[in-house]
Amino acid sequence: DAGVIQSPRHEVTEMGQEVTLRCKPISGHDYLFWYRQTMMRGLELLIYFNNNVPIDDSGMPEDRFSAKMPNASFSTLKIQPSEPRDSAVYFCASSLGQGSYNEQFFGPGTRLTVL
Amino acid sequence: GENVEQHPSTLSVQEGDSAVIKCTYSDSASNYFPWYKQELGKRPQLIIDIRSNVGEKKDQRIAVTLNKTAKHFSLHITETQPEDSAVYFCAARNTGNQFYFGTGTSLTVIP
Repeated sequence: DAGVIQSPRHEVTEMGQEVTLRCKPISGHDYLFWYRQTMMRGLELLIYFNNNVPIDDSGMPEDRFSAKMPNASFSTLKIQPSEPRDSAVYFCASSLGQGSYNEQFFGPGTRLTVL
Repeated sequence: GENVEQHPSTLSVQEGDSAVIKCTYSDSASNYFPWYKQELGKRPQLIIDIRSNVGEKKDQRIAVTLNKTAKHFSLHITETQPEDSAVYFCAARNTGNQFYFGTGTSLTVIP
């Protein structure tokens, strides 16, 4: 398996533009997590899904952020409109919820810069 | 919800010395405690983990201890090497499979 795949790896956009980040979890994993990492706040959980259903989105900073998981192999995190303070590295991670192995595997991240 | 605190935020040790990073958690129902290493510009990667029914686990130079009563767990790295320099994160997983991360410890191993 190629691991968790994220795209794009880098995104530079201007304030006010819409940004869409994409994630493909490891095949067979039933949990998917979106995190944001900044120097000031560290690693923050934004939202997570179980079997494509959002379970907890309390970490989503505001209505400008939305996430979807239309099927087991794809998820998006959208920011509309983007602001400079959204600049961060966004990680997607997946894990198996049941069974002995619950390791969370991270994708390579998307480095977002909003000018 | 769960609250994970991690100390220290920065740690410098001489090569060959040991490093210890400590975390506390608040939810007594948390049952899985992984440690991640993140090198500059890279993704967090699991280095060791421990489940709530185990008190200690060791893998070569790294070990993790868990005290469920006190709700704290620690990472121990012995015989540190320059390549151990990175940011280390602890985490606690609750029964809903939600992970809560500590704020990270930046470890520098001085050659």
